Amino acid sequence: QQQVKQSPQSLIVQKGGISIINCAYENTAFDYFPWYQQFPGKGPALLIAIRPDVSEKKEGRFTISFNKSAKQFSLHIMDSQPGDSATYFCAARGRNDYKLSFGAGTTVTVRA
Amino acid sequence: DGGITQSPKYLFRKEGQNVTLSCEQNLNHDAMYWYRQDPGQGLRLIYYSQIVNDFQKGDIAEGYSVSREKKESFPLTVTSAQKNPTAFYLCASSRDRAYNEQFFGPGTRLTVL
Repeated sequence: QQQVKQSPQSLIVQKGGISIINCAYENTAFDYFPWYQQFPGKGPALLIAIRPDVSEKKEGRFTISFNKSAKQFSLHIMDSQPGDSATYFCAARGRNDYKLSFGAGTTVTVRA
Repeated sequence: DGGITQSPKYLFRKEGQNVTLSCEQNLNHDAMYWYRQDPGQGLRLIYYSQIVNDFQKGDIAEGYSVSREKKESFPLTVTSAQKNPTAFYLCASSRDRAYNEQFFGPGTRLTVL
């Protein structure tokens, strides 16, 4: 079963709007939470990542919010641009086995 | 120009045939991985290797085999025992097993007819 649950499956946002993608996990042995961005026909690329001792991390227009007690984390894309249209995957890495468990992905479409 | 190459980009095979997917990296990374991507399911780990001549099964290894004879290369064979082989296959590497960032190749789309 999926260890990381991601929602929504897809979303459409207007240019300049905010895209929000949510992920939840159960395993407390995760110690690293990356987000990957994937364009059609390409491999995923690391976008931004956070560790559980930090509640928020911002890189440009991308922000991760992390709620350790709720076992949830989210990606916010501010001022969304058409070039942000892609599939986004959250993931969580096991502290002991270093395996990445991926969410099912969210396809973001930014309308101009 | 460092990176990961996968070939071919598209591959068609008849049911019952084994097929080998290529993955090469020139990043001098010790760890390499194979993932399978299906619509709506994210990425699932097939096999991974931490060093040359060593590899471990991931979550969905049945019907697949790998080898790691060289640091740069980690080919994946999809055997006839894999019941549903049509998928997008992604190879990745990282500096070592404990290093956070995994770098992905462009993928191979395998279609079994």
